[in-house]
Amino acid sequence: SSELTQDPAVSVALGQTVRITCQGDILRGYYAGWYQQKPGQAPILVIYGQNNRPSGIPDRFSGSASGNTASLTITGAQAEDEADYYCNSRDSHPNHVIFGGGTKLTVL
Amino acid sequence: QLQLQESGPGLVKSSETLSLICTVSGGSISSSVHYWDWIRQPPGKGLEWIGSVYYSGSTYYNPSLKSRVTISVDTSKNQFSLRLNSVTAADTAVYYCARQRVDIFVDYWGQGTLVTVSS
Repeated sequence: SSELTQDPAVSVALGQTVRITCQGDILRGYYAGWYQQKPGQAPILVIYGQNNRPSGIPDRFSGSASGNTASLTITGAQAEDEADYYCNSRDSHPNHVIFGGGTKLTVL
Repeated sequence: QLQLQESGPGLVKSSETLSLICTVSGGSISSSVHYWDWIRQPPGKGLEWIGSVYYSGSTYYNPSLKSRVTISVDTSKNQFSLRLNSVTAADTAVYYCARQRVDIFVDYWGQGTLVTVSS
């Protein structure tokens, strides 16, 4: 099966821009999704596909992809964006799901 | 608004079977464009996909758990369920039921339920 690799921790100053990345060979063929998880809460989908935001997700969240890397960008990070972020995609079996290990985002 | 709710024992003895049910409300489990997932998260760790079921009963499992997992669907009750056999302490986790779109992204999650495996 495939793997998705994320940096364990990233920090950003309040109001600045931060990019969180997800690497994996499977991403050369499939888009990633991005999930935000705050302590004690279920994850929520914030970006999926090429660069789609579910209803209610602020437009400071955006996604992109290049080669084997998917990226989540937060433009003008807010204190409430401090959370764990997970990427996901299909595995080599098209009906199987894989998640990255997660990135803890700290807003300074 | 779609809602998912997990139910089942919060404590399971080692070597026994973990059983959970997810009740879906505000939408039909018989959707042709969705799968229904179980995903777990051990304390302090990341997300792990356990498996998926389609309304027709087709199932897909994480290869690392496949030998111990059964996921089934009951369209008459708008529910799907998880059974995990021969549990150990490593199976202690928050278990989420969720809706997966056919493009693999998970757009609705239950609140999660903590299942602790005791010796």
